[in-house]
Amino acid sequence: DAGVIQSPRHEVTEMGQEVTLRCKPISGHDYLFWYRQTMMRGLELLIYFNNNVPIDDSGMPEDRFSAKMPNASFSTLKIQPSEPRDSAVYFCASRETGSSSYNEQFFGPGTRLTVL
Amino acid sequence: EDQVTQSPEALRLQEGESSSLNCSYTVSGLRGLFWYRQDPGKGPEFLFTLYSAGEEKEKERLKATLTKKESFLHITAPKPEDSATYLCAVKASGSARQLTFGSGTQLTVLP
Repeated sequence: DAGVIQSPRHEVTEMGQEVTLRCKPISGHDYLFWYRQTMMRGLELLIYFNNNVPIDDSGMPEDRFSAKMPNASFSTLKIQPSEPRDSAVYFCASRETGSSSYNEQFFGPGTRLTVL
Repeated sequence: EDQVTQSPEALRLQEGESSSLNCSYTVSGLRGLFWYRQDPGKGPEFLFTLYSAGEEKEKERLKATLTKKESFLHITAPKPEDSATYLCAVKASGSARQLTFGSGTQLTVLP
């Protein structure tokens, strides 16, 4: 298995532009998570989906952030408009219900976002 | 609110010098405690899950233990390739929230 796939790996954009981050979870996994990691705040959960349905989006910082999961193999995290304080590494992770290691999440390589 | 505190923030060891990393937690009913390893420029990689006080798990030079208030990650005779940031996370019982992560311990093992 290729693991969790994220694209792009690096994104540099200017303030006010729309940014779309993409994630392909591991095949067969029914949970998908979006995290943000910064030096100041560490690893924060933004939103997670179960069977393509958003379950908890309380970590989404504000309305500029939105996430979708149109099918079991694809999810997007969109920031519109982007701001410099959104600069961070964004991770996608997935897991399967009933895995032998409960709640074991598999992380992608991350997207490093820089907003100028 | 679930809280996870890791110490120290950074640790430098000589190769072969054993030590321990600490993870203190406050949750309303622990469902599981998780250790991850994160290398620079990569996503966290799962190491262990601990479910109840007294439980221990081992993997190569790493051994994780759990009490009712904290977990330790013991590193025996570390090698330079063990250098990484080690993250601790907890899952509370009956919570829709998923993992709550600590800020991590950055371990450097010098040859």
